[in-house]
Amino acid sequence: KAGVTQTPRYLIKTRGQQVTLSCSPISGHRSVSWYQQTPGQGLQFLFEYFSETQRNKGNFPGRFSGRQFSNSRSEMNVSTLELGDSALYLCASSTDLATQETQYFGPGTRLLVL
Amino acid sequence: KQEVTQIPAALSVPEGENLVLNCSFTDSAIYNLQWFRQDPGKGLTSLLLIQSSQREQTSGRLNASLDKSSGRSTLYIAASQPGDSATYLCAVRSGTYKYIFGTGTRLKVLA
Repeated sequence: KAGVTQTPRYLIKTRGQQVTLSCSPISGHRSVSWYQQTPGQGLQFLFEYFSETQRNKGNFPGRFSGRQFSNSRSEMNVSTLELGDSALYLCASSTDLATQETQYFGPGTRLLVL
Repeated sequence: KQEVTQIPAALSVPEGENLVLNCSFTDSAIYNLQWFRQDPGKGLTSLLLIQSSQREQTSGRLNASLDKSSGRSTLYIAASQPGDSATYLCAVRSGTYKYIFGTGTRLKVLA
């Protein structure tokens, strides 16, 4: 089975721009979670989607949004980028996060905001 | 509010040593706890998943234990190898659809 894929792998943007990141889960997985990883804050939960519905959201401003499509692929969008948004963005998929199963992580998208 | 702490933040050991990584969490009402490994600039690889009803899980040279009442988990690595060098993260499933991660232990195994 192919693993979780994320595109693009690297991205450079300037302050004020917006960005869209994509995540394709493992085939058959319907739950997709997004995380932000920075050296100062570590790994922080952004949101989780299951069957196109957002089931949980972390403590991030409304500039961070996401969605999930009927094929379980997910996108996250960050509008009005700030320097502090520079981070590694990771997505993880599982059959259903509500079940006692592991999450599988993608390689991440490294975003640099100048 | 669940908080997850990992000690030590960094560890350097000679090859062949057995070592223990620690993870503490403040709220014992967890669904499960998972240990991950992260290589520099890469995503996370799941190592072990312990359900809240379990006390330990083993995979090869790795053994993870869970003591919910004291809010602690340990990851034991036997006969460490240079290839074990990575950052090790524990994550607690706290809340139905959410994992809280620790800050990680950066391990270096010297040849």
